[in-house]
Amino acid sequence: KQEVTQIPAALSVPEGENLVLNCSFTDSAIYNLQWFRQDPGKGLTSLLLIQSSQREQTSGRLNASLDKSSGRSTLYIAASQPGDSATYLCAPGSQGNLIFGKGTKLSVKP
Amino acid sequence: NAGVTQTPKFQVLKTGQSMTLQCAQDMNHNSMYWYRQDPGMGLRLIYYSASEGTTDKGEVPNGYNVSRLNKREFSLRLESAAPSQTSVYFCASRALTGGARTEAFFGQGTRLTVV
Repeated sequence: KQEVTQIPAALSVPEGENLVLNCSFTDSAIYNLQWFRQDPGKGLTSLLLIQSSQREQTSGRLNASLDKSSGRSTLYIAASQPGDSATYLCAPGSQGNLIFGKGTKLSVKP
Repeated sequence: NAGVTQTPKFQVLKTGQSMTLQCAQDMNHNSMYWYRQDPGMGLRLIYYSASEGTTDKGEVPNGYNVSRLNKREFSLRLESAAPSQTSVYFCASRALTGGARTEAFFGQGTRLTVV
């Protein structure tokens, strides 16, 4: 059974800082791993998808890495902005299901 | 593109009432999922359908039933609603076909309150 842990549960940083969000998972038999963003009261927005054969994926100020063998992924956010404030969720995807961590709630202070 | 569409967006039920949450996707995805999201619990998988004609239990299936009506539609039914089923429900879809493993897309959610 896949178990996903995200650390830290909450993070507050001043604007402009670079930060790293961590995701670990117990079952390394995954096809890919996806990072999402969720704003309060809203649905999930996909940020990045890393295939199991990839090590990194970049989109703008976001960079996600994947170490499948050790069951870890990180999401790096460069030069954080108040608009980045949201909850960030990771989800390793296996053949059948898609299991989520509880997320990291990020607050970026102006 | 509509993506993943959920109906209704909001619903209030009395304990014991039944209802069906509808989900439809227009991306030709073969896999569909139902989740519930509760404060402090994160997103928990209720049921999923890896392909048309198949359904499987997730982490919290008790009190729910699902129907994969066709490739586009995946419904979630509460036969006798309980206050513990008050939650926000999300539907998602993705493609898992051979070498193509796409990202998952989510609907905007259904906020259900059982009184």
